[in-house]
Amino acid sequence: NAGVTQTPKFQVLKTGQSMTLQCAQDMNHNSMYWYRQDPGMGLRLIYYSASEGTTDKGEVPNGYNVSRLNKREFSLRLESAAPSQTSVYFCASSEIAGGFQETQYFGPGTRLLVL
Amino acid sequence: QKEVEQNSGPLSVPEGAIASLNCTYSDRGSQSFFWYRQYSGKSPELIMSIYSNGDKEDGRFTAQLNKASQYVSLLIRDSQPSDSATYLCAVTGSARQLTFGSGTQLTVLP
Repeated sequence: NAGVTQTPKFQVLKTGQSMTLQCAQDMNHNSMYWYRQDPGMGLRLIYYSASEGTTDKGEVPNGYNVSRLNKREFSLRLESAAPSQTSVYFCASSEIAGGFQETQYFGPGTRLLVL
Repeated sequence: QKEVEQNSGPLSVPEGAIASLNCTYSDRGSQSFFWYRQYSGKSPELIMSIYSNGDKEDGRFTAQLNKASQYVSLLIRDSQPSDSATYLCAVTGSARQLTFGSGTQLTVLP
C-alpha cells in the first residue's frame, strides 16, 4: 500500500518549457488535489477533482491544467513554465463523507525549479 | 484578512514543556479542522482532526476548538526534540475545500 505517489521528485525547466506532474493513489479515494507550497505561504490549492470525471479550480489555477485520468490518477500540466511557478508541488487525496472533509493524505512532493 | 491565520513563530520551548500553537479562521461555516505536522523537506502528515467544540486528546496532543471564537489550538505536552517541525492549521470552509495557514515553526530545545 503505497498511499499517494508523485513523479518526478525533482525537475528543472527553462522558461517556456512544458511538463506534466503525475500523481497516483491506491486508497480508493474519490477526491484528489494539487497544491503548491512556497516559503512562508503555506499550501495553496491549484486544482481539485471531487470525483472521477470532474475537475475544479482552486485558489491559484492560472498557468496550470489538470486531468483526472481515472479514479487513481490526477495529473498537473504546466504548458509554458514561468519562474513564478518555481515551488514544491504536493498531490493529495481524501474522501468527503457526510459533508465533512476527511483526512487528506499527501504525496512526497515534486520540487520544481524554473530558470 | 487571511482566511486562516497562525502565530507565525518561530516558537521555541524546552524539552518537556508544553507547546501551544494557535489558529484563527474567518469562515463561520467551517466544519472540519485539522493540524498537520511537516518536517523540513517532507510532506504534511495529519496530527489531529477535530469537528466539535471542546477538547480532543490523542496521546501527548490535544486539539481545542471554539467555533464561537473561530479559534482552534494544538497543545503538545512533554515536548520532545522530535516534535521540532512546522505545524499547519487547516480548515474546511463553506466550499468544502481545505484552506491552510502559513504554519508555525516549532523548535524543542534539548
